[in-house]
Order: sequence, then structure tokens, then C-alpha cells
Amino acid sequence: QQPVQSPQAVILREGEDAVINCSSSKALYSVHWYRQKHGEAPVFLMILLKGGEQKGHEKISASFNEKKQQSSLYLTASQLSYSGTYFCGTEWGSGGSNYKLTFGKGTLLTVNP
Amino acid sequence: GAVVSQHPSWVICKSGTSVKIECRSLDFQATTMFWYRQFPKQSLMLMATSNEGSKATYEQGVEKDKFLINHASLTLSTLTVTSAHPEDSSFYICSAGILGGETQYFGPGTRLLVL
Repeated sequence: QQPVQSPQAVILREGEDAVINCSSSKALYSVHWYRQKHGEAPVFLMILLKGGEQKGHEKISASFNEKKQQSSLYLTASQLSYSGTYFCGTEWGSGGSNYKLTFGKGTLLTVNP
Repeated sequence: GAVVSQHPSWVICKSGTSVKIECRSLDFQATTMFWYRQFPKQSLMLMATSNEGSKATYEQGVEKDKFLINHASLTLSTLTVTSAHPEDSSFYICSAGILGGETQYFGPGTRLLVL
């Protein structure tokens, strides 16, 4: 069962903010966020473990709500380099699965000048 | 750190032939490697999980005899697409997990075109 990402696509002007959501129907152990540019492999952004923590990476941060079984990725003051498809990968249950992830369908983010 | 390479990056082959794709972890030992297939504008679909020295675990719907996976060492896993058909054309990506690490690291992918 794939996690559900929303929105499917978003278009921003440089400097605007965006939020990408990832929801699961099963209890989550961890959520991994990746960004993939066209024709390239996904690049790891950050991991969130259950416990409701929030993490930041430059102007990109994320939160994990264990009760709601969802994670959100926040992109602030977007830059042209942020363009790409964002995937959340989820690890279910109690972990220990050697990082086996199930990925959502992705959110296509386009940042225009 | 955590660099994963794939070879070849591009391959074109005739229908019915076999193609081998290599995935290497360059600066770490990967206890687990994963193979994904990605069709245009779609998500990453896990094909199989490969553990060094043991048989790969295939996801439901993935043919074991068609997609042969070998994980001979802690730095190398191979995927062989046997008797390739045009519908096997796709972007194949491997990833590797580090023992004690936090996530998977992806290789650059191999684009396969079967004519």
C-alpha cells in the first residue's frame, strides 16, 4: 500500500513557499524524503523517525506526526534548484526492515523565476 | 560518502537477449541492496531486496526467473534481465543501505531500451 502524496504537482515562483504531504494508512516507523530531478536518481534529503520530530535542512524542513500517520515537507523561500519530483518513502511497523521503503507517487515541484 | 554507482548508464538491446546491470557501493559496505524500476513520470517500484550471500526477496508480481539478482559481495549486486522484451524498457535504479546507517542511497540508474 503506497503512501499518498499531495499535491500531485505544484508551481511556484522563486521565493514562494510550499508544503508537500505524505499520508499512510499503516503505522509508520520512519519517513524518508527524496528529491529526483528529471533523468537522474533520487537524492536523499532527510529521514524522520516516529516521535513527532521535526528536522531542517537549509530551507527545507519536515515534520512527522505519528498519530496522524503523516509527514509534511516544507520548502521555504524556494529556489530554482528546488525544482524536481519529491518522493516520500515509508517504513512501516517497528523498523528493522533494512530500510525497505515504499514510495509515494511523487509531487512534481516547478519553481519559476 | 555513501556513493553508489551503476553500470551501464544506458543500454539498448534486441528483444530476446539478456542484459546485466551492475550496482556497486564505492565507499561503504552495503549489507542490503534494493532494485527498483521506474516508468516515465511514475513512482519507484521496488522489484527485490538483495542481501549479501543469500537469495533475493522479490516483490509480488516480479518474476524471479526473468529478473535474476546476485549479491556476491558487500559492494556488488547485479540484476540480469533475461529474454528482454520491449515492455521491460524502463529506468532501473539500485540503492544500498549501510549497516547502522539511516537510509538508502541511490545509484544513478540504468536506462534500458529493448527494441
